[in-house]
Amino acid sequence: LAKTTQPISMDSYEGQEVNITCSHNNIATNDYITWYQQFPSQGPRFIIQGYKTKVTNEVASLFIPADRKSSTLSLPRVSLSDTAVYYCLVVPPGAGGYNKLIFGAGTRLAVHP
Amino acid sequence: NAGVTQTPKFRVLKTGQSMTLLCAQDMNHEYMYWYRQDPGMGLRLIHYSVGEGTTAKGEVPDGYNVSRLKKQNFLLGLESAAPSQTSVYFCASSPHSISYEQYFGPGTRLTVT
Repeated sequence: LAKTTQPISMDSYEGQEVNITCSHNNIATNDYITWYQQFPSQGPRFIIQGYKTKVTNEVASLFIPADRKSSTLSLPRVSLSDTAVYYCLVVPPGAGGYNKLIFGAGTRLAVHP
Repeated sequence: NAGVTQTPKFRVLKTGQSMTLLCAQDMNHEYMYWYRQDPGMGLRLIHYSVGEGTTAKGEVPDGYNVSRLKKQNFLLGLESAAPSQTSVYFCASSPHSISYEQYFGPGTRLTVT
């Protein structure tokens, strides 16, 4: 299983762009990269998933370089409501992959006024 | 749609007591999961199910049992609670697809004294 490493915490201010980088040096060829967000006292919420290059949705963008050994979650113009813990996961597809979601400690993002 | 619901929201048990946590989803998802989250840590998979009538062990299954008699429900049982099982328990579900977007419930905060 590919282990992920991400910063323990980050601070930002409202209106800024925030980039959270995740390292996954041992990622396998078919693994997907997935990010979740968790607010206090709530369950995690899926943000975005990608395999290579760039993926964008209404919430965030995910940048994956060609070697796929890292990925960067980009949150444009954050607000106070983006204060949360962000988890980077590397997930193998197909049968047997569903039991290998490993949530690390995540990155605690604090957005200040 | 209510999504994923969990019952109860809070519970205090004494060591040795038993209880069952109920998870229900109304999205017709095939896969369901039970996680625990200890303070300041990520989620750890306890048990999961890939369909009605099936269950399998996750990362930390000891001390827990599960059942999936109906597709929409996934029960987590503690036969003899221990203080080490004090945690927040999250249930999640996901459709039968290559996407690993899991939908999480609001959590059950369990304290074992």
